[in-house]
Amino acid sequence: EVQLVESGGGLVQPGGSLRLSCAASGFTFSSYWMHWVRQAPGKGLVWVSRINSDGSSTSYADSVKGRFTISRDNAKNTLYLQMNSLRAEDTAVYYCARVEIAMFNIWGQGTMVTVSS
Amino acid sequence: QSALTQPASVSGSPGQSITISCTGTSSDVGSYNLVSWYQQHPGKAPKLMIYEVSKRPSGVSNRFSGSKSGNTASLTISGLQAEDEADYYCCSYAGSSCYVFGTGTKVTVL
Repeated sequence: EVQLVESGGGLVQPGGSLRLSCAASGFTFSSYWMHWVRQAPGKGLVWVSRINSDGSSTSYADSVKGRFTISRDNAKNTLYLQMNSLRAEDTAVYYCARVEIAMFNIWGQGTMVTVSS
Repeated sequence: QSALTQPASVSGSPGQSITISCTGTSSDVGSYNLVSWYQQHPGKAPKLMIYEVSKRPSGVSNRFSGSKSGNTASLTISGLQAEDEADYYCCSYAGSSCYVFGTGTKVTVL
């Protein structure tokens, strides 16, 4: 079964850091570009970041550029999102997603990140 | 990277057809035939319903169809059913390997 499972969310203070993980199974992880998308409580989906299949190229939304870092370990079939200098407005459910031909066709169940003192 | 504009809500009776619009700019929707649509039920992950403007993944009902004209894409749900009640989001490629989602539309089946 093709599956993505996120972990690593939780409560963190403003200015703190958190690393999210996304474990992939059921497909050849190293062949696909991967993305992070977030959704604040009661709000819409927002694209956050993407990484190409071998990890050599990344892109970020302006709102997280310089604070978040996307990476991957193809040997471990795992995607990461290192989040630093967290702000209240980063509070959201974070989804990882597999993307091909501009379609987000596989999504994880999401992990909740709450930034609050 | 401004969000694509969707109506906040659309409603219809069972069996009717509804259309959700998604308005972007010449830098995203207008430049690429890479618009996709997602259905999201409360507390669930989004589900791909349409890709490349009008293509349906296997398993998605043919009651769902997509189109685009200029900077505006549209999703039409025909033969509306109770199970279609959900939030719907459009998404467009915006160049430089970046994407932008729509503001979301809540579909209510009356």
